[in-house]
Amino acid sequence: NAGVMQNPRHLVRRRGQEARLRCSPMKGHSHVYWYRQLPEEGLKFMVYLQKENIIDESGMPKERFSAEFPKEGPSILRIQQVVRGDSAAYFCASSPLQGISGYTFGSGTRLTVV
Amino acid sequence: KQEVTQIPAALSVPEGENLVLNCSFTDSAIYNLQWFRQDPGKGLTSLLLIQSSQREQTSGRLNASLDKSSGRSTLYIAASQPGDSATYLCAVPLSDYKLSFGAGTTVTVRA
Repeated sequence: NAGVMQNPRHLVRRRGQEARLRCSPMKGHSHVYWYRQLPEEGLKFMVYLQKENIIDESGMPKERFSAEFPKEGPSILRIQQVVRGDSAAYFCASSPLQGISGYTFGSGTRLTVV
Repeated sequence: KQEVTQIPAALSVPEGENLVLNCSFTDSAIYNLQWFRQDPGKGLTSLLLIQSSQREQTSGRLNASLDKSSGRSTLYIAASQPGDSATYLCAVPLSDYKLSFGAGTTVTVRA
């Protein structure tokens, strides 16, 4: 039973390009959470999604960032027109039911904007 | 607003020494606290979860204490080994589905 799979592991984008980060939850998990870890900071909650629904996006920047979790396929975190400040590690977690006690984290995607 | 602070930011000890990692939080109305381990380039692994009704939780060489009234938790690692080198994060719930993390303590155990 594979864990939470995130790809790519490392992503380099030039300023102004788009970044697409993918997260495949554990089998049987229908709840996905995205967190961002800036250098020297703790992980910050971004968004919580269930299949086809955004439940809480209170941590998402208002512009350029979007997330989806379609009926089929992985969850996608999309960052348009990236800037240097978007450089960070992006982690996703999944759970079978809503709640932190069932969290399993992926290995993260390290985004570098040059 | 919940703020989680971890001190020190980094720690280097010789093998065999006991480790003491501190975590403080500003809102004491929490129902649990978790300690995670983060290895470079890898995800987070949950080490210990302490419920608010508990004072301590133990797993092998790891022991975590929780003092809600003072807003503090301490993670003790006995007889440290080089394999314990990692970043240790503490986290408290912001709601039943999202966590607030500290910035972590990076531990280096020298052989």
